[in-house]
Amino acid sequence: AQRVTQPEKLLSVFKGAPVELKCNYSYSGSPELFWYVQYSRQRLQLLLRHISRESIKGFTADLNKGETSFHLKKPFAQEEDSAMYYCALRDHGGAQKLVFGQGTRLTINP
Amino acid sequence: NAGVMQNPRHLVRRRGQEARLRCSPMKGHSHVYWYRQLPEEGLKFMVYLQKENIIDESGMPKERFSAEFPKEGPSILRIQQVVRGDSAAYFCASKGQAEQYFGPGTRLTVT
Repeated sequence: AQRVTQPEKLLSVFKGAPVELKCNYSYSGSPELFWYVQYSRQRLQLLLRHISRESIKGFTADLNKGETSFHLKKPFAQEEDSAMYYCALRDHGGAQKLVFGQGTRLTINP
Repeated sequence: NAGVMQNPRHLVRRRGQEARLRCSPMKGHSHVYWYRQLPEEGLKFMVYLQKENIIDESGMPKERFSAEFPKEGPSILRIQQVVRGDSAAYFCASKGQAEQYFGPGTRLTVT
């Protein structure tokens, strides 16, 4: 069964410190993975997808099929990174629905 | 483009009443998803619709829940005879070419 696990509900780091939000998945087949972010009082929005291999707002995420992980990283955290982060997997069935992890609330302390 | 619209943003219902949640997709999008987020959990898929068709309702509870997306007007998620366990945030997303665009959600509280 498809599953996405984010083991940390809460993560707190100081401004300027590195950040890593963990995400593990289980999926039979070739996964397509995403990170979504929800800033305070805003809607859920796509941060990045593994296919694009892009860096958005300084964040990167690498798909590791051996470890079935898709951890989100940023070398130097900024206060505006404080938000709720969700890792998601796209099911390649007909609906192409998203399967979400439980989310990690990231707080950047000044 | 105003993005995906949902209304109401907050809805309070007593046990046994009906709840109707509305979703207007982005302009030009004809497919919508509904997701539910229970407290302390991630979003969970409920149903996927295109205009006048339910494509996949595998995530919908078997009873009291229904969804539609008529030819004209918004998609509606209907919950009959609400119970306390239905209290959650309900999100709608419309399907673009490469990603899903989310609405702001409707927070349903059942008292």
